Amino acid sequence: GESVGLHLPTLSVQEGDNSIINCAYSNSASDYFIWYKQESGKGPQFIIDIRSNMDKRQGQRVTVLLNKTVKHLSLQIAATQPGDSAVYFCAEGQSWGKLQFGAGTQVVVTP
Amino acid sequence: KAGVTQTPRYLIKTRGQQVTLSCSPISGHRSVSWYQQTPGQGLQFLFEYFSETQRNKGNFPGRFSGRQFSNSRSEMNVSTLELGDSALYLCASSSGLAGPYEQYFGPGTRLTVT
Repeated sequence: GESVGLHLPTLSVQEGDNSIINCAYSNSASDYFIWYKQESGKGPQFIIDIRSNMDKRQGQRVTVLLNKTVKHLSLQIAATQPGDSAVYFCAEGQSWGKLQFGAGTQVVVTP
Repeated sequence: KAGVTQTPRYLIKTRGQQVTLSCSPISGHRSVSWYQQTPGQGLQFLFEYFSETQRNKGNFPGRFSGRQFSNSRSEMNVSTLELGDSALYLCASSSGLAGPYEQYFGPGTRLTVT
């Protein structure tokens, strides 16, 4: 699994710009991936998911891209807003009820 | 539809004590997974319960245990608390009918061990 240091990578984005958050996953056999957003003092909030038989999936203002060849996942947020400031986690489904989480990326939206 | 609820939201305990945390899943969900979140280790899977049976378990010592009731509510217990058990404990619910998919998290219980 992956461990998280005390300092999360930070992505600073200007309001209105697009954000791209990247994630590398570990298990080439994983068939399910999910992105969560966690605001301070709250539990992770589901954003979007994708199965391994897809390369791309779109939601409202968000797009997830999956590159199985290099085991890479990305989350794109269009027209980033101040309310998008949070920590974003990718996770891969490994077995019953278990998600393996990445380290997380702190997104800071500046006016 | 009500979300996942966890009680209590905050707890302060002393080393050596034990603690029980509670989680009520989304109505209709039969799977409850528990995670520990710390700044140093991130989100780590503890265990998952489905229909009152533990179906999956992470790499935590036996001091961490759980159970699930017939109404799908779940509790986790930590015995002989250590300082390192201070963390945010999160539970997540899902339908449980297909893999780990679409888990919805509660707000967490913040446990502080002194």
